[in-house]
Amino acid sequence: DVKVTQSSRYLVKRTGEKVFLECVQDMDHENMFWYRQDPGLGLRLIYFSYDVKMKEKGDIPEGYSVSREKKERFSLILESASTNQTSMYLCASSLLQGQYGYTFGSGTRLTVV
Amino acid sequence: SQELEQSPQSLIVQEGKNLTINCTSSKTLYGLYWYKQKYGEGLIFLMMLQKGGEEKSHEKITAKLDEKKQQSSLHITASQPSHAGIYLCGADFANTDKLIFGTGTRLQVFP
Repeated sequence: DVKVTQSSRYLVKRTGEKVFLECVQDMDHENMFWYRQDPGLGLRLIYFSYDVKMKEKGDIPEGYSVSREKKERFSLILESASTNQTSMYLCASSLLQGQYGYTFGSGTRLTVV
Repeated sequence: SQELEQSPQSLIVQEGKNLTINCTSSKTLYGLYWYKQKYGEGLIFLMMLQKGGEEKSHEKITAKLDEKKQQSSLHITASQPSHAGIYLCGADFANTDKLIFGTGTRLQVFP
């Protein structure tokens, strides 16, 4: 069964810590995405990537960076975690010109204290 | 995103009832995707619509895209508790594979 795996379901970090959220897909998809989901705001795109070593800013990139050194792995980095980054983080992947939509991971609920 | 509005925000229906969720775009879209999310989990792909007037069905769920490609509806026939969750529409506005999502509709189905 093909899937997108996010390394942690729940994570608690302290303000100022550097946080790494890992996402791995086994479908050989070109595209990978990071969203955050907050009540009343829906899903907002943070960063995305169409290829290895390629990255594009989404709608809310401030305070985040990403890394895609291998096709199957897309990492989201919180350089210095803040309480307003407490959220559900969702990773997704898709084929180029995908007719089948995204495949999402199960999400990481991050709490910054 | 204000580019994509979903209504209603929440819905509570009795088992067996039909229901409709709407997704309206402020501009013409290239593709419209429907997803379902169980609380605290990732999103499951339901359907993708691309052509004006297109309609697709899967089991008891039917999705339609209007001719202008600015509005989509998701209709559930004879709802069941298993249909409960959050339904989200996502739009690709420029054939970029990048999806903008609506804020979601929370559906509860009671016996």
